[in-house]
Amino acid sequence: DTGVSQDPRHKITKRGQNVTFRCDPISEHNRLYWYRQTLGQGPEFLTYFQNEAQLEKSRLLSDRFSAERPKGSFSTLEIQRTEQGDSAMYLCASSSREYNEQFFGPGTRLTVL
Amino acid sequence: GENVEQHPSTLSVQEGDSAVIKCTYSDSASNYFPWYKQELGKRPQLIIDIRSNVGEKKDQRIAVTLNKTAKHFSLHITETQPEDSAVYFCAASSNYQLIWGAGTKLIIKP
Repeated sequence: DTGVSQDPRHKITKRGQNVTFRCDPISEHNRLYWYRQTLGQGPEFLTYFQNEAQLEKSRLLSDRFSAERPKGSFSTLEIQRTEQGDSAMYLCASSSREYNEQFFGPGTRLTVL
Repeated sequence: GENVEQHPSTLSVQEGDSAVIKCTYSDSASNYFPWYKQELGKRPQLIIDIRSNVGEKKDQRIAVTLNKTAKHFSLHITETQPEDSAVYFCAASSNYQLIWGAGTKLIIKP
């Protein structure tokens, strides 16, 4: 499969726990994006990487959220001390330098109890 | 700040009829306009896009038109089919970041 992949697909956790999600972009894409989506809403931008550099982070992202892309390939998104309001679908997308088209992974659905 | 408005929020059409969804954007520097289709529980999928140097683009039953002067762009779906039922999102971009519309729920009535 040469598309964007995400792991896990579903995560149920208790409030206060830490969770980490992984995204593997399309191999030749150097740009990687994280979004959050709640039911009935459009994707909400969280952060953006070009290669290993995190170039932008949404003001909406609290300091409990951190993302890395250490080797410019896969990325991880960590949420510390999860809250019920963090329950959402977390989407990853990637694009190439030359073209803006963003291709999405299947998402990780997080449920915080 | 940058903003994309999308209308209508819900659109119900008879199978076989056409559907039109409209978006307006605020950033005159925007030069890339994709449309995504999202079925329930699935990822957004890019269905068509247009760049600012083109006024219209067509791919089988779907087309997108762009009016840069008025800063609006539209998605046209002809001969609608049940599988076209989904939420459609427009977006605009001047760099790497997409600014998203709020989405249109398209319902195809049999």
